[in-house]
Amino acid sequence: GEDVEQSLFLSVREGDSSVINCTYTDSSSTYLYWYKQEPGAGLQLLTYIFSNMDMKQDQRLTVLLNKKDKHLSLRIADTQTGDSAIYFCAELSGGYQKVTFGTGTKLQVIP
Amino acid sequence: EAGVAQSPRYKIIEKRQSVAFWCNPISGHATLYWYQQILGQGPKLLIQFQNNGVVDDSQLPKDRFSAERLKGVDSTLKIQPAKLEDSAVYLCASSPRGGISYNEQFFGPGTRLTVL
Repeated sequence: GEDVEQSLFLSVREGDSSVINCTYTDSSSTYLYWYKQEPGAGLQLLTYIFSNMDMKQDQRLTVLLNKKDKHLSLRIADTQTGDSAIYFCAELSGGYQKVTFGTGTKLQVIP
Repeated sequence: EAGVAQSPRYKIIEKRQSVAFWCNPISGHATLYWYQQILGQGPKLLIQFQNNGVVDDSQLPKDRFSAERLKGVDSTLKIQPAKLEDSAVYLCASSPRGGISYNEQFFGPGTRLTVL
């Protein structure tokens, strides 16, 4: 199966850390991604991780990958109001290199 | 660098009518994707082109949806006839070439379709 699941909603206070979780089912995925979607806009790639890595850090973003549990997480340090958006995890897999997106997590940052 | 362009941004039609969406990818990008994003869900791939050839259209409802990418540049997606459940945002994306590296996709702003 190719289901990618996420919790629907997360609310945090400005300055706190946010952790968005994702589970996927395709063990052959080569890359996993986090995309951000702001209101009225298309998706924008935030970061990605290759499947043979456990962790990737990029400024305020930390991606953790647990292949055994097929679990991916995105940690945003010092969350700002501008981080309010919908975050989608996605996996790249299959012979056609198809990207399958999760259901999205809406992050609300409270000032 | 100009981004992915889509038009129209919004469209309201009645069921059983026809509608077409247009996408112009980033210059030089060989791979073009059409996604359907229903409210509250993630994007679902409808069709993927590599240049002007179809790579994957397994989730395209071919009885009513069609897409083409003549000359391997811009693309149109058509729905004929539309149903109520087709109400969604239709996203177009492009990437330099599918199947290599991390395959970053660049998305357009989408076309919001409402079927009444």
